[in-house]
Amino acid sequence: AQSVAQPEDQVNVAEGNPLTVKCTYSVSGNPYLFWYVQYPNRGLQFLLKYITGDNLVKGSYGFEAEFNKSQTSFHLKKPSALVSDSALYFCAVRVDPFSGGYNKLIFGAGTRLAVHP
Amino acid sequence: GAVVSQHPSRVICKSGTSVKIECRSLDFQATTMFWYRQFPKQSLMLMATSNEGSKATYEQGVEKDKFLINHASLTLSTLTVTSAHPEDSSFYICSASRILGPAIYEQYFGPGTRLTVT
Repeated sequence: AQSVAQPEDQVNVAEGNPLTVKCTYSVSGNPYLFWYVQYPNRGLQFLLKYITGDNLVKGSYGFEAEFNKSQTSFHLKKPSALVSDSALYFCAVRVDPFSGGYNKLIFGAGTRLAVHP
Repeated sequence: GAVVSQHPSRVICKSGTSVKIECRSLDFQATTMFWYRQFPKQSLMLMATSNEGSKATYEQGVEKDKFLINHASLTLSTLTVTSAHPEDSSFYICSASRILGPAIYEQYFGPGTRLTVT
């Protein structure tokens, strides 16, 4: 079975400091991994994805994520946090479409990022 | 591009009534749309996968007779919560799948609909 784990319910960081939001995954076959951000009472906004290629993926708003196959991780990072980055972040893995998954996404539980001035 | 809208954004209804939520892909055709439900401070739970012109595929534990899904066109899917009860109160989010290439898909999410059943 494919799954995603976000071990931290909340991450607190001071503005200007680097941030990391952790994600580990379990998949059969090649992983297709995603990060989304959700602001209060809003839908999800796409940040970045890993399909293949370079392990370091750059995305929107200065975020990046590092795919680590040996550790089955896909941690989200940003060199310098902004107060406006405070939101709920979701890691997701795509179900293999060739197993009848119809391109379904399985989401982690979410991590709330709080950036303090 | 790749905008997905939902209507209404908020709805309050009385227990026992039915509510319809629309999901539209505004600038692309979506053969597949997905419906999610999100409880406060929790993750998104996939309810069903909707394919244009065919019956929706429901996830285990989701009542198909209660959550009616219709995907009549390549740009519109609707979710109808029938005989709504307070426990159906939740944030409902749809997404639309766009084909970018052979076996390459991207999901775009709507802004969500807050349903409150009184």
